Amino acid sequence: QKEVEQDPGPLSVPEGAIVSLNCTYSNSAFQYFMWYRQYSRKGPELLMYTYSSGNKEDGRFTAQVDKSSKYISLFIRDSQPSDSATYLCAMLSQTGGSYIPTFGRGTSLIVHP
Amino acid sequence: NAGVTQTPKFRVLKTGQSMTLLCAQDMNHEYMYWYRQDPGMGLRLIHYSVGEGTTAKGEVPDGYNVSRLKKQNFLLGLESAAPSQTSVYFCASSYGDRGFNSPLHFGNGTRLTVT
Repeated sequence: QKEVEQDPGPLSVPEGAIVSLNCTYSNSAFQYFMWYRQYSRKGPELLMYTYSSGNKEDGRFTAQVDKSSKYISLFIRDSQPSDSATYLCAMLSQTGGSYIPTFGRGTSLIVHP
Repeated sequence: NAGVTQTPKFRVLKTGQSMTLLCAQDMNHEYMYWYRQDPGMGLRLIHYSVGEGTTAKGEVPDGYNVSRLKKQNFLLGLESAAPSQTSVYFCASSYGDRGFNSPLHFGNGTRLTVT
């Protein structure tokens, strides 16, 4: 079992829908949580990051962390066709002063007009 | 500010040939990483470096070598390419030791096909 589990999808939704993307993890040492967005034929780009349980909002995006359940989510409100991409969760834990990230497999999101 | 630059963008190799992928970053990041991305497998860490002159193995290091002679550059070498190394390779960099401020910044990838 991988340390970070993420459903690869694809997830297809109509424009304007609320999207929920999720990851579960098994390593209690993970302290920092990130979401990356990757468009086709591009590198991943950082979308949101947080280190505490609870919600963090940035425009149409909300990142949610539940450390007790080892579960993180990314919500996208009023989804747009331009949100169509692969979304990867990533987590950091500290080992001897170093932070090496662990990525989920990514969820492919398709928002159709 | 270019960020992370990877060269080349595309390459086709025959089995047994060798090549080097170059990654350059201009953000003064200490940490650099090489990942491969395959359909359904996500990003898998090949090797990484926590500073100039250092390297360490990641999840899938076999068949690859790396060097970090200068802080801004991280090279990935394939000594004898195999079809199983057909993939998209991403380089990334980060501050590494600042926890909350250590998100990775990625290049746009090198698409390698080994025939």
